[in-house]
Amino acid sequence: QSALTQPASVSGSLGQSITISCTGTGSDVGSYNFVSWFQQHPGKAPKLIIYGVSKRPSGISSRFSGSKSGNTASLTISGLRTEDEADYYCCSYAGSLTPYVFGSGTELIVL
Amino acid sequence: QVQLQQSGPGLVKPSQTLSLTCAISGDSISSNSAAWNWFRQSPSRGLEWLGRTYYRSRWYIDYALFMKGRITVNPDTSKNQFSLHLNSVTPADTAVYYCARVGPEWELDSWGQGTLVSVSS
Repeated sequence: QSALTQPASVSGSLGQSITISCTGTGSDVGSYNFVSWFQQHPGKAPKLIIYGVSKRPSGISSRFSGSKSGNTASLTISGLRTEDEADYYCCSYAGSLTPYVFGSGTELIVL
Repeated sequence: QVQLQQSGPGLVKPSQTLSLTCAISGDSISSNSAAWNWFRQSPSRGLEWLGRTYYRSRWYIDYALFMKGRITVNPDTSKNQFSLHLNSVTPADTAVYYCARVGPEWELDSWGQGTLVSVSS
């Protein structure tokens, strides 16, 4: 089982905004500002889109933004495009013995 | 730009050893600000961290507890690459395996292309 809880799927129309939640505990999301988000298209490797809760790697659109409140992190995608349709995974640091715990993934459907 | 190129067999027999290699370009495995990781992904277990190696004046290697002593990760400075060896595999180890680099801000910013490894006789 995944350590972090995400909705199985979310959907939104072209141009709209959506938010994906990632709920952990006080031992992971709630204790560290090391939350990342990945986008994964079928048959491809995960691609980093947010790290450090809200930082974007070079080349990632400002349409992607991240935040955190308590034990829950969130990814918001604004101005939805067809190419945003993919699976999205959150990831948190959970201590030196478990440096990476992942969410179960959320399928984004763009209508 | 860092690139990671994975190599290794896609089919392993039960009880044998799964071995994969990840060749690094654009960075050094001996970097003092990066760490080199192995992950796997399967429909039943999702994304899982398996182990890592990194250099901070000396070499460090860490493994996921659930691997229970079956795993070895080794750096190879002569070839600027690192490897994964998982012994006594079972069909439950069937997954896509990835290598990945993490930078100084804990950003997993570079991934290998993935290797689907099937465990079957």
